[in-house]
Amino acid sequence: KAGVTQTPRYLIKTRGQQVTLSCSPISGHRSVSWYQQTPGQGLQFLFEYFSETQRNKGNFPGRFSGRQFSNSRSEMNVSTLELGDSALYLCASSLEGRGGIGYTFGSGTRLTVV
Amino acid sequence: DQQVKQNSPSLSVQEGRISILNCDYTNSMFDYFLWYKKYPAEGPTFLISISSIKDKNEDGRFTVFLNKSAKHLSLHIVPSQPGDSAVYFCAASATQGAQKLVFGQGTRLTINP
Repeated sequence: KAGVTQTPRYLIKTRGQQVTLSCSPISGHRSVSWYQQTPGQGLQFLFEYFSETQRNKGNFPGRFSGRQFSNSRSEMNVSTLELGDSALYLCASSLEGRGGIGYTFGSGTRLTVV
Repeated sequence: DQQVKQNSPSLSVQEGRISILNCDYTNSMFDYFLWYKKYPAEGPTFLISISSIKDKNEDGRFTVFLNKSAKHLSLHIVPSQPGDSAVYFCAASATQGAQKLVFGQGTRLTINP
């Protein structure tokens, strides 16, 4: 079966701009979670969506937002980009989104803010 | 507040020997633990997990040990192979109610031929 697809793979943006990243989960998976990976910080949880509802949110500023569509595809948006937002953004899909069980990660979107 | 810690940023092991990666956690609500392997430019790949009702889980060359009293888990890889060279992340969750994983910072494992 097809895996988790994240687009685009690479992105370069300028400070102050906004960006939208996309994640298509495995067919049948209703939960999509987003994580930010920066050097030395591991993966930090951004938010989780299940059946179009945000169920959990990490400790990130309001510039980070997301949504999920009826087909379970999810987007995350970062507004007013800062240099510190440069990171690898990963999404993971699962059937229920319960505690990481059955997570499958996508390959990520590498965002560089200049 | 780093609830999951991997104190060794890197580890170098000879091919064929045992690799031991360590992870400590602070939140006693965590009841499910996972190890992921990550290559550059790819997403993390699930390796092995363990529930808090167990103290050991084995899958081929990979074994995870959980010491709840010490809030410590470890991943053993025996024997180590060159293809095991990657960054390894431990992660933890509280499965009742939480929909997120808390990750450690990762340990870069290098297997030397």
